Amino acid sequence: EVQLVESGGGLVQPGGSLRLSCAASGFTFSTFWMSWVRQAPGKGLEWVANIKQHGSEKYYVDSVRGRFTISRDNTKNSLFLQMNSLRAEDTAVYYCARAYSSSSDDAFDIWGQGTMVTVSS
Amino acid sequence: DIQMTQSPSSVSASVGDRVTITCRASQTISSWLAWYQQKPGKAPKLLISAASTLQSGVPSRFDGSGSGTDYTLTITSLQPEDFATYYCQQGDRYPLTFGGGTKVEIK
Repeated sequence: EVQLVESGGGLVQPGGSLRLSCAASGFTFSTFWMSWVRQAPGKGLEWVANIKQHGSEKYYVDSVRGRFTISRDNTKNSLFLQMNSLRAEDTAVYYCARAYSSSSDDAFDIWGQGTMVTVSS
Repeated sequence: DIQMTQSPSSVSASVGDRVTITCRASQTISSWLAWYQQKPGKAPKLLISAASTLQSGVPSRFDGSGSGTDYTLTITSLQPEDFATYYCQQGDRYPLTFGGGTKVEIK
């Protein structure tokens, strides 16, 4: 079964750090672009970051660039999001998602269940 | 950044109705447009990619069309399981951006 499972969310104080992980299974992880997408409580979807198959290209939304780092370990079929200098507006459910084909980075067909990040004092 | 404007923000409809949701991009996105369905407490589900390509397993009552800046998702005969929120998303250039969502509610 093709599956993504996120972990690492939780409550953190403003200015703090958190590292999210996403474990992939059921497909050849190294052949797909991967993404993080977030959703603030009661709000819409917001794309956060993308990473190419072997990590040579990374893209970020402006609001997280310089604070968040997307990375992957293809030997462990894992995707990561290191989040530093967290702000209240980063509070959201964070989803890990897979591009819908090995030659695309524009849309995502496999999603994890999400992990909640709450930034509050 | 490319802004994606969805309309309506919500629609009330009955089972069997035809529902149309539109998405307008602030600049041409060359059909790099995806549609997602999201139910409460669940992850989004990809319905359509590249403006009109139905994903495997998605019922044929979902239809995507459009080009340039204007795109449409049509549900030809609404079913009970279709009550959800729908999002468009452009994939033409970074940052990838989503529309604000359209909530399809039971009338």
